[in-house]
Amino acid sequence: DTAVSQTPKYLVTQMGNDKSIKCEQNLGHDTMYWYKQDSKKFLKIMFSYNNKELIINETVPNRFSPKSPDKAHLNLHINSLELGDSAVYFCASSQVFRLLSGNTIYFGEGSWLTVV
Amino acid sequence: DQQVKQNSPSLSVQEGRISILNCDYTNSMFDYFLWYKKYPAEGPTFLISISSIKDKNEDGRFTVFLNKSAKHLSLHIVPSQPGDSAVYFCAAINTNAGKSTFGDGTTLTVKP
Repeated sequence: DTAVSQTPKYLVTQMGNDKSIKCEQNLGHDTMYWYKQDSKKFLKIMFSYNNKELIINETVPNRFSPKSPDKAHLNLHINSLELGDSAVYFCASSQVFRLLSGNTIYFGEGSWLTVV
Repeated sequence: DQQVKQNSPSLSVQEGRISILNCDYTNSMFDYFLWYKKYPAEGPTFLISISSIKDKNEDGRFTVFLNKSAKHLSLHIVPSQPGDSAVYFCAAINTNAGKSTFGDGTTLTVKP
């Protein structure tokens, strides 16, 4: 079973559309994250939720909105998609918000978003 | 300001030899460090980590060294295998703030 799963894996959509990427973890972790990998393969954190509460909200456009219906799910909704939003988006989870020895971040396989 | 830097974008090593991947950081608040490995079209997978209270952590063929005074960590892979060919990311974490920062990655190629 996949520990952190994201859907869809591939998504091609037109500019201006609204789309969502779903993420689910079955590890029983309290903290979930969304990362964006840009064209230079650099992973940048966008959001982090701990027990459904937003704890990290990096500088991203307001068009990006995370939603956490429960602590096993963290969905990413993007409004009015732009060409620059094309990237790979990774969902991740960890045991606790404060990473302690023995804990680490588990990643999903990524969602490849292409805006045309 | 990039707080975590991997200055070598690529590294090529012969099978059986040692691979050394380097990572430098600037923020002294980082207290936990991790290395991830990433194959094309897949998410990164955790390799090995080290807390700032240690200077070395070993797991099989992988050893991570931390030099706090130099703000430098390195990943040693011995012996290197062709299956180790991938992009390696180092990540630094300020556990008090719960923020993780990744480097740009180093592409390792292990030649048979």
